[in-house]
Amino acid sequence: NAGVTQTPKFRILKIGQSMTLQCTQDMNHNYMYWYRQDPGMGLKLIYYSVGAGITDKGEVPNGYNVSRSTTEDFPLRLELAAPSQTSVYFCASSYSTVNTEAFFGQGTRLTVV
Amino acid sequence: DQQVKQNSPSLSVQEGRISILNCDYTNSMFDYFLWYKKYPAEGPTFLISISSIKDKNEDGRFTVFLNKSAKHLSLHIVPSQPGDSAVYFCAASAAGAGSYQLTFGKGTKLSVIP
Repeated sequence: NAGVTQTPKFRILKIGQSMTLQCTQDMNHNYMYWYRQDPGMGLKLIYYSVGAGITDKGEVPNGYNVSRSTTEDFPLRLELAAPSQTSVYFCASSYSTVNTEAFFGQGTRLTVV
Repeated sequence: DQQVKQNSPSLSVQEGRISILNCDYTNSMFDYFLWYKKYPAEGPTFLISISSIKDKNEDGRFTVFLNKSAKHLSLHIVPSQPGDSAVYFCAASAAGAGSYQLTFGKGTKLSVIP
């Protein structure tokens, strides 16, 4: 029972580098999300997707891009890493958006130096 | 502008006693509320939820109470166990308004002392 799987678990980037955070789910959920959690703060929505080929911005989308070519995968792209993007990133998925919970991956801890 | 507030960053409770975690919200469009539990180095896991049409939902040792007029909800854990030690996040959504976003509080770190 894999659920939501994120890779990598940890990463250190230099300023200006790029990387892709991978996320895959095996629950056949249409809805997928990327959140970030800064120290002492709640989770904030970066991007979400309501199905393959459809994505939209959340609360804090600047500096990120996403794609959704399949139901299972929802990668998050950082093009020019900045220290402000140092955070823990969580991918999540849900069956619906109405009165249902989201299932989260274990997170990716990213440090930009 | 925090729409979901957890004003207690931490809470310590003796094993076997009741833990009460509180959450306040400001957005009257919120109609579904959830509690998540998070252990270090893990993702949040869903604990319990409540719809705005109810004022109480119970699941084993966990009960969530909703007071819509006060825009307040609370999570009760009875009896508290050492394994309950974690960070608890309150979250809310306005699904009826077509929002796809869960809005989270900052979390309350619960420590259950054996």
